[in-house]
Amino acid sequence: DAGVIQSPRHEVTEMGQEVTLRCKPISGHNSLFWYRQTMMRGLELLIYFNNNVPIDDSGMPEDRFSAKMPNASFSTLKIQPSEPRDSAVYFCASSSGGDFGYGYTFGSGTRLTVV
Amino acid sequence: ILNVEQSPQSLHVQEGDSTNFTCSFPSSNFYALHWYRWETAKSPEALFVMTLNGDEKKKGRISATLNTKEGYSYLYIKGSQPEDSATYLCAPQTGANNLFFGTGTRLTVIP
Repeated sequence: DAGVIQSPRHEVTEMGQEVTLRCKPISGHNSLFWYRQTMMRGLELLIYFNNNVPIDDSGMPEDRFSAKMPNASFSTLKIQPSEPRDSAVYFCASSSGGDFGYGYTFGSGTRLTVV
Repeated sequence: ILNVEQSPQSLHVQEGDSTNFTCSFPSSNFYALHWYRWETAKSPEALFVMTLNGDEKKKGRISATLNTKEGYSYLYIKGSQPEDSATYLCAPQTGANNLFFGTGTRLTVIP
């Protein structure tokens, strides 16, 4: 298995533009998570899906952020419009989930810079 | 939101030294405790998942213990090597998918 695949690896965009981050979880994993890493707060959970259904989006900072999981092998995190304070590394992770004690597998992250 | 504290925030040790660091978390609603190793410019990598009070896990020179009643876990590294340099994250789990990451202990092993 190639692991959790995120794209793009790096994204530089101008303030106000729409940004879409993509994630392909490990085949067979039924839980998918979007995290944001910042210097101040470390790894923050933004949203997670179980069996393609959003379960908890309380970590999504505001309405400019949205996430979808149209099928078991693909998820997107969209920011519209983007702002400089959104600059961070965004990680996607997947797990066998639904049960306790399973580790997460993280993707390589997308480094977003909004100028 | 769960209050997870890791200490120290950063640590420098000489190659060959053994070291340990701490993760503290609320003991209520506990389901599991995860440890991750995060090398610079890479993604976090799962080390251990522990669920029972008194659990001990070991992977090579790295081991971890868990005390769920008092809400802490220790990570030990025996005979530190430069390749152990990384940030070590702990993450208590309070539900099926409620994982809260601490800000980590950044370990630097000096050759």
